Amino acid sequence: AQTVTQSQPEMSVQEAETVTLSCTYDTSESNYYLFWYKQPPSRQMILVIRQEAYKQQNATENRFSVNFQKAAKSFSLKISDSQLGDTAMYFCAFLSGGYQKVTFGIGTKLQVIP
Amino acid sequence: KAGVTQTPRYLIKTRGQQVTLSCSPISGHRSVSWYQQTPGQGLQFLFEYFSETQRNKGNFPGRFSGRQFSNSRSEMNVSTLELGDSALYLCASSPQATNSGNTIYFGEGSWLTVV
Repeated sequence: AQTVTQSQPEMSVQEAETVTLSCTYDTSESNYYLFWYKQPPSRQMILVIRQEAYKQQNATENRFSVNFQKAAKSFSLKISDSQLGDTAMYFCAFLSGGYQKVTFGIGTKLQVIP
Repeated sequence: KAGVTQTPRYLIKTRGQQVTLSCSPISGHRSVSWYQQTPGQGLQFLFEYFSETQRNKGNFPGRFSGRQFSNSRSEMNVSTLELGDSALYLCASSPQATNSGNTIYFGEGSWLTVV
């Protein structure tokens, strides 16, 4: 079974600062995909960033970047220059070719403080 | 391009009743999956439909069912509602089947409250 662990239930960061959210996963698959989704108070799940396991280069999307450590099965999300609009729940998610579903972590609640 | 559309957005039902939720995927997307989100359990996979066929089902009782139509629109039904079914039900769509690695895109969800 695939598992995704987010060990930080809640985090806070000052506006304009940098914060890193942690995620680890467990799998025996070699081909898989990892995602970070953001869920603001509106509850709309929004894709933040996506990483394909076979790509060694870490994915980046503007202020969002990941640190993908395949051997350690770690997939952390770094948010630079944090903005008030970044306040949300962040979910780490895993998908492999062998399993026909996305497995989500329990989420990290991020509060950006003005 | 319109996003994933879920209806109704909010509904209140009584224990023992049944409910049907609807999901229209992004145009051109053929896969629709459903998730239940509760504070205690997080996001739990319900099922996925692709080309009108159920590809996978999560660990939920038979009271939870779904279907997909030829235009890729999907419905999920919950019969004999229980208080514990109160949750946010999220629908997601992707161009191909989930295990192809395509990103899944979510709707805004349907809030179900069972009283």
